[in-house]
Amino acid sequence: EDQVTQSPEALRLQEGESSSLNCSYTVSGLRGLFWYRQDPGKGPEFLFTLYSAGEEKEKERLKATLTKKESFLHITAPKPEDSATYLCAVRPGTYKYIFGTGTRLKVLA
Amino acid sequence: DGGITQSPKYLFRKEGQNVTLSCEQNLNHDAMYWYRQDPGQGLRLIYYSQIVNDFQKGDIAEGYSVSREKKESFPLTVTSAQKNPTAFYLCASSITRWEGRNTEAFFGQGTRLTVV
Repeated sequence: EDQVTQSPEALRLQEGESSSLNCSYTVSGLRGLFWYRQDPGKGPEFLFTLYSAGEEKEKERLKATLTKKESFLHITAPKPEDSATYLCAVRPGTYKYIFGTGTRLKVLA
Repeated sequence: DGGITQSPKYLFRKEGQNVTLSCEQNLNHDAMYWYRQDPGQGLRLIYYSQIVNDFQKGDIAEGYSVSREKKESFPLTVTSAQKNPTAFYLCASSITRWEGRNTEAFFGQGTRLTVV
């Protein structure tokens, strides 16, 4: 069964304290892994797409990496405005996105 | 600006009533989706449509219905048969494929439905 698991469920960081969020997946054939940011009461905002092991994407303080079994979202020197829930999703076929339950990140000033 | 518009943002419904959530996109995407989000759970797929006049059930379609009469629009009706309808509903759209690869979905801002 296709599945996405994110860890940790929640993470509290001090401003400037770098860390990583994990997304592990089991799918019949990976045809795209996606990272989103979701603020409370809003829809998910697209961040990155990764397609193959070894691929990396960066945006400001965020960097996403992909291996054959998992993806990491590295947050370097986070700021309070990076506080949000980060969602990971895969799309093993041609129609359905499968989402993890997310990591709730809180960055303290 | 291109994007996905969901309305209303908040919706209150009495038990036993049907209610329709609106979703409109101007991204020229073929595929559209409805997801439900509950606290502590991932997004769960209700219905999806890959082309006009065609749609398929997702994982939790019971108590919901949809239509896809226009490419831009994919309304969701929550019927009285849905036993636990209070939730945050998200509409999304995507290109089906691009150069043989699956592409990302883009989301609306959501509708929070509360049954009173």
